[in-house]
Amino acid sequence: SQKIEQNSEALNIQEGKTATLTCNYTNYSPAYLQWYRQDPGRGPVFLLLIRENEKEKRKERLKVTFDTTLKQSLFHITASQPADSATYLCALDTGTASKLTFGTGTRLQVTL
Amino acid sequence: DGGITQSPKYLFRKEGQNVTLSCEQNLNHDAMYWYRQDPGQGLRLIYYSQIVNDFQKGDIAEGYSVSREKKESFPLTVTSAQKNPTAFYLCASTTQRGAGNEQFFGPGTRLTVL
Repeated sequence: SQKIEQNSEALNIQEGKTATLTCNYTNYSPAYLQWYRQDPGRGPVFLLLIRENEKEKRKERLKVTFDTTLKQSLFHITASQPADSATYLCALDTGTASKLTFGTGTRLQVTL
Repeated sequence: DGGITQSPKYLFRKEGQNVTLSCEQNLNHDAMYWYRQDPGQGLRLIYYSQIVNDFQKGDIAEGYSVSREKKESFPLTVTSAQKNPTAFYLCASTTQRGAGNEQFFGPGTRLTVL
């Protein structure tokens, strides 16, 4: 069966450290993988998209990697800040009708 | 300002009642989507529409209905047939130009069945 797995346990890190979140999937062949941020009680906000033929994508303090052999994406936030505390969702896009299939999300807590 | 709006923010429904959630966008996007989110869960797709007057069922369409009479609007009706309607409902839209496009989300409607 198809599955998208993100670490269901919250990730707690200290300010200034690098946060690394994992997204693993099975029985999918995504053309694209997207990462979103969601704050409590709000809609998700798009952060980054990476294509199947790209290994890495960066945007400011954010970096995403995509390994289609391992069926895994890693999402990194460098020099993390308390304002980065949120739930981060990965989403697979198989390229059909721009439909996305979301993981359950990982809650990140950055402390001083 | 361009964006996507949902109303109401909070909605209470008695068992057996149908309720309609509003979703409007002024981004000129062709595609619109409805998702449901339960506590600690990811988003699950209810319905989506790629063009006016056309829509398709998502993964959990039972107990829901939609219409797409205008490009800007994609209302969702939660019918009495939906057994567990209490959830956070999110509407999204995206352009259909090219592929791999980000989705823009509304602020959500939290529905509670009393």
